[in-house]
Amino acid sequence: SYVLTQPPSVSVAPGKTARITCGGNNIGSKSVHWYQQKPGQAPVLVIYYDSDRPSGIPERFSGSNSGNTATLTISRVEAGDEADYYCQVWDSSSDHLWVFGGGTKLTVL
Amino acid sequence: EVQLVESGGGLVKPGGSLRLSCAASGFTFSNAWMSWVRQAPGKGLEWVGRIKSKTDGGTTDYAAPVKGRFTISRDDSKNTLYLQMNSLKTEDTAVYYCTTSSIAAAGTSFDYWGQGTLVTVSS
Repeated sequence: SYVLTQPPSVSVAPGKTARITCGGNNIGSKSVHWYQQKPGQAPVLVIYYDSDRPSGIPERFSGSNSGNTATLTISRVEAGDEADYYCQVWDSSSDHLWVFGGGTKLTVL
Repeated sequence: EVQLVESGGGLVKPGGSLRLSCAASGFTFSNAWMSWVRQAPGKGLEWVGRIKSKTDGGTTDYAAPVKGRFTISRDDSKNTLYLQMNSLKTEDTAVYYCTTSSIAAAGTSFDYWGQGTLVTVSS
């Protein structure tokens, strides 16, 4: 079963840059999607296919993927970015076709 | 506007059954591949299963923990997705989300989510 590893928490001051990593074996060969989830709400897609942004998502959100690590980068962090973030990949050989990382709690100091 | 509205959650005893529904609107439901994703209290997201469109075979796939106990089905005439859950275990306690993609294909992102419905399995 394919495993995605995320840090449990990341803290950043307002206006700074937050980087949330997602580790997986040769994850660079897969497409990675990222979701933001605020307390009591459903997840929202913020990055798809490694680095594409859905309409309505600020340009401050960007993504990259290479080797064994995918990264979600949030520039000029705002208080409203505080949330849980999950990476996701599709793995047809896994016992879960879609695999999620364990999630990262982003705290804005 | 795409809308997904889940219903049917509640409290059920271990070993019991429950059927969740997801009413869809704002897109061509019959062409969509639909998935269920769950989230245990205080935990992360877990994909539960998927059903393809009938034109793509209407086949289903399930995560290992629910295979053989859960069944996904769809009624395209009612624009509704279902999740039949049998032999429920305490570890099935979670918020269950209905979700879909803009493109019906393997590996696509989950672009749209419902608000979720809570299932609690407890004696």
